[in-house]
Amino acid sequence: QITLKESGPTLVKPTQTLTLTCTFSGFSLSTSGVGVGWIRQPPGKALEWLALIYWDDDKRYSPSLKSRLTITKDTSKNQVVLTMTNMDPVDTATYYCAHMEESGDNWFDPWGQGTLVTVSS
Amino acid sequence: DIVLTQSPATLSLSPGERATLSCRASQNVGSYLAWYQQKPGQAPRLLIYDASTRATGIPARFSGSGSGTDFSLTISSLEPEDFAVYYCQQRSNWPLTFGGGTKVEIK
Repeated sequence: QITLKESGPTLVKPTQTLTLTCTFSGFSLSTSGVGVGWIRQPPGKALEWLALIYWDDDKRYSPSLKSRLTITKDTSKNQVVLTMTNMDPVDTATYYCAHMEESGDNWFDPWGQGTLVTVSS
Repeated sequence: DIVLTQSPATLSLSPGERATLSCRASQNVGSYLAWYQQKPGQAPRLLIYDASTRATGIPARFSGSGSGTDFSLTISSLEPEDFAVYYCQQRSNWPLTFGGGTKVEIK
């Protein structure tokens, strides 16, 4: 059974850097074809893809946020970390991580429960 | 970026009725389109991928169709647990993009 769980601060101040950790089980990020992505959702709004990292360390970013995002993996800890710099109130959202596997359906499946991050002074 | 436009924004139906949701892509995405269901306070769940393949454990009342730029999600007979928000997503081109969502509400 694949599970993912996001963790990190619930409140950050404007201009600060956000660091979120996705801790997963049931798969390995050293397995060919596996990836973990980050998606966010502002309150009451639609989903927005942020970043994705693959087993071979290939990394993809949303162009609109690329300058602020860094995604890394720690295969030994079964974790993926997303950092977002220069946080702004508009970045207030629930942040999700999700599994993707090329040998499977190759879509985001399943997702973590999400973590709400509020940006406010 | 590929823009996915979902319509209608809200669909008001009664249990037992048929629901048809639309997702239109600004460019050809082939069959690289998925549908997700999101209930209040929950994470999205994959329903349909590659335009028409049901994900594991998804009931047969959910079906997807389309290719290229026009896609549909059909719920043949709405169950009480189907009232939720539905999103489409494409993975044909980077960046990955989602539609704005369709809310299926109880009439």
